[in-house]
Amino acid sequence: GAVVSQHPSWVICKSGTSVKIECRSLDFQATTMFWYRQFPKQSLMLMATSNEGSKATYEQGVEKDKFLINHASLTLSTLTVTSAHPEDSSFYICSARDVGLAGGPNTGELFFGEGSRLTVL
Amino acid sequence: DAKTTQPTSMDCAEGRAANLPCNHSTISGNEYVYWYRQIHSQGPQYIIHGLKNNETNEMASLIITEDRKSSTLILPHATLRDTAVYYCIVRGITGGGNKLTFGTGTQLKVEL
Repeated sequence: GAVVSQHPSWVICKSGTSVKIECRSLDFQATTMFWYRQFPKQSLMLMATSNEGSKATYEQGVEKDKFLINHASLTLSTLTVTSAHPEDSSFYICSARDVGLAGGPNTGELFFGEGSRLTVL
Repeated sequence: DAKTTQPTSMDCAEGRAANLPCNHSTISGNEYVYWYRQIHSQGPQYIIHGLKNNETNEMASLIITEDRKSSTLILPHATLRDTAVYYCIVRGITGGGNKLTFGTGTQLKVEL
């Protein structure tokens, strides 16, 4: 199946600093990528939809200025957690859909990255 | 997207079939049933999906009731590596950008 890769896998940072997480589709192009956040023992919560060449669409309650999303190419989306605080510590996961399958018989299978664990001290 | 209801947890003996149920009584005609699983500290992994017919692949089988209000994911010969949280999700293929909304899922524990 298609591969989505995230980097870094884990990161520790000091409170007040910014952290950038990359999401890449390795063998397909993705006009749309999705960013999720998962706290311990909880389910995945969708944060935002990243659209190539345009602004991201954020879910209700997610701060746009705090979680900056850039989707500059068909294979890369980045999530930057600005002025991180301990409550931002979480598991961040991205997913992407292969545009090559758009309109075809596939019904929108999404591929997920391995996740990035952020710890803010 | 329709809401789903799954048991919080299930146990299964290694080598036996694991049958994971999901209720989706409010599913609409154009919504598919998807199953993903998440092994601890990893991203979700696609398992299978279907509309109304039963489906089978190398990982699992999906049985959807005739009224489509419930479904069962079957892992025919569970192994220890199948221990994970299994998510049943229903969604349409148009609109919403194909985003998936995750519920709480079922924690499957496969034991010796």
